[in-house]
Amino acid sequence: DTEVTQTPKHLVMGMTNKKSLKCEQHMGHRAMYWYKQKAKKPPELMFVYSYEKLSINESVPSRFSPECPNSSLLNLHLHALQPEDSALYLCASSQSGTGLTEAFFGQGTRLTVV
Amino acid sequence: GNSVTQMEGPVTLSEEAFLTINCTYTATGYPSLFWYVQYPGEGLQLLLKATKADDKGSNKGFEATYRKETTSFHLEKGSVQVSDSAVYFCALSALRGGGSYIPTFGRGTSLIVHP
Repeated sequence: DTEVTQTPKHLVMGMTNKKSLKCEQHMGHRAMYWYKQKAKKPPELMFVYSYEKLSINESVPSRFSPECPNSSLLNLHLHALQPEDSALYLCASSQSGTGLTEAFFGQGTRLTVV
Repeated sequence: GNSVTQMEGPVTLSEEAFLTINCTYTATGYPSLFWYVQYPGEGLQLLLKATKADDKGSNKGFEATYRKETTSFHLEKGSVQVSDSAVYFCALSALRGGGSYIPTFGRGTSLIVHP
């Protein structure tokens, strides 16, 4: 199983809503990532978890709150988002925190903030 | 810091043409290098990788060679198909400040193949 599964695939939310994005992998990977991708742009790193601990936060606004409940799951909690936060949110995982092995990506959650 | 520079697209080719997408990098230490492909509306799929100098990664007719002396990892394919139309991202994974190895992506190059 080399899959990273993200749910939901599409999400529309209002600026006052609270929602969560979910990511799951069963490859035994101990590094998990959240990326944000705007149209026609490369993915931008948001957060990195290594061995279930937050190791990198790329100065992401606090309206995005990551959580890693266990080694297979990664969540991204969303609250009071802005329309400019609309994007494709990608989850990825890799075998270890070294990053010398490839990252496997999910299909992404297409988020629209209205 | 670590960075990846890709040629600007879109690259437009006829079917069966030869493809080259240039990629150069700047990194601390000895990075691993990757090419990812993204089809419309989808996530990123690993296309090929190389982990040390002079390694050649290959997959589905695509090839790239890790050239340390020129800090390059150019993607090539001898005969493209319409189904190869996608966005291609060059990426590296290398040590970043704070002791973490993080995938860093180039801007992406859109490939359009006409029948």
